[in-house]
Order: sequence, then structure tokens, then C-alpha cells
Amino acid sequence: DAKTTQPPSMDCAEGRAANLPCNHSTISGNEYVYWYRQIHSQGPQYIIHGLKNNETNEMASLIITEDRKSSTLILPHATLRDTAVYYCIVPPGNTGKLIFGQGTTLQVKP
Amino acid sequence: ETGVTQTPRHLVMGMTNKKSLKCEQHLGHNAMYWYKQSAKKPLELMFVYSLEERVENNSVPSRFSPECPNSSHLFLHLHTLQPEDSALYLCASSQDLSSVNYGYTFGSGTRLTVV
Repeated sequence: DAKTTQPPSMDCAEGRAANLPCNHSTISGNEYVYWYRQIHSQGPQYIIHGLKNNETNEMASLIITEDRKSSTLILPHATLRDTAVYYCIVPPGNTGKLIFGQGTTLQVKP
Repeated sequence: ETGVTQTPRHLVMGMTNKKSLKCEQHLGHNAMYWYKQSAKKPLELMFVYSLEERVENNSVPSRFSPECPNSSHLFLHLHTLQPEDSALYLCASSQDLSSVNYGYTFGSGTRLTVV
């Protein structure tokens, strides 16, 4: 199973880009990287996922390194409402099974 | 609303009570999940259902009893709980077990307090 490593916490100024890193050095060739976030006391919310290529949607961008051993989630213009715990997850063997770690607590400050 | 509805939002129960948590989705998803989130801990996967069949039980004590009567509903029956079972219980659904392209949709959770 690919294990992910994230920094426990990060700060970001409101309006600036938030770059959240994730290491997944044991990822297999066909395993996807998913990002979710959990705003305090709510259920986790899907953000984005990717395999090899960089991905972008209305919420964020996902940059995956060429060797696929790490990725970065980018929130281009962070707002106070982006304050949350962000989880980087690699479901084992593409089972889709989400196993959550501690994630990164992002604090967006005015 | 995310499309996955959990009731009740808050529940306080005594250790001798029996209660049930309810989860409902009308997204046409075939897989449903129960997670537990204790204070300052990661989410723990409890149960996995696919097409109304339980496919995973992650060493959850028998005082937690899941039920999936149809693909749209999932219950978690609770009896003789302990105070350490107090937590946020989250339900999620996905298109199927692989869900490579769709991800999970989570409900808002039930905040359970055992007294």
C-alpha cells in the first residue's frame, strides 16, 4: 500500500497561493493520488485526483512529479474558507478504498 | 447538502441505550461506507458495503452493527456503547468500490456522545 507523508501544518496568507506537498514514494504505476479536505466538524470533501498528468479543476490544481513519488496541491488564491485539514490519499491497488492519515492543517490568515 | 444525508446530526445516549444512525444517498452509488473520527485522530474506516453486501469489517466491536437494506440506505445500530465510542460518525458513498474516476461523497456526520 502506498503510504503518504504530509507536513502536519501550514500557514498561508489570504489571497496568496497555498502549496500543499505530499510524498508517496512507494506508489505503484496504476495508483491514483486523491486529495480531500475536511473543514472543521464536517465530512471530507473531494478536491481533485490524478495519475500522471497535472490536473486542474475549479477548486485546485494538482502537480505530480514525473517519477510520481510526490505531488503538490495548489489552491491558487486561498481564502479564509479554505482553512481545513487537507488529506493526500493513494487508494491501494486502485480499490478506491480511502484510508486517511493525519493530513495537513492549513490555516489561511487575513 | 452533498447528496449524502445523515441523521441525526447530534445524538447523546446512555451506555445502556440502543440507537441507530441513518445514512441516505440518492446519487445512484453502489458502495457505502461508515467511518469513525475520534477527537484529534484520523478517520477510521469501519465498514464497507458494495451492492448491499458487507465486504469489509475492520475489527469493529460487535456493539456496532451495520445494516444495508438497499443501495440507498445504510444504518449503524448501536448498543451498550462505551464513553470512548463518542466520536463523529461519517457515512460516505461512491459509484463502486474502485471509484477511480469519481471519489467518495461524504455526509455531514453524526456527532455521538455516550454518557
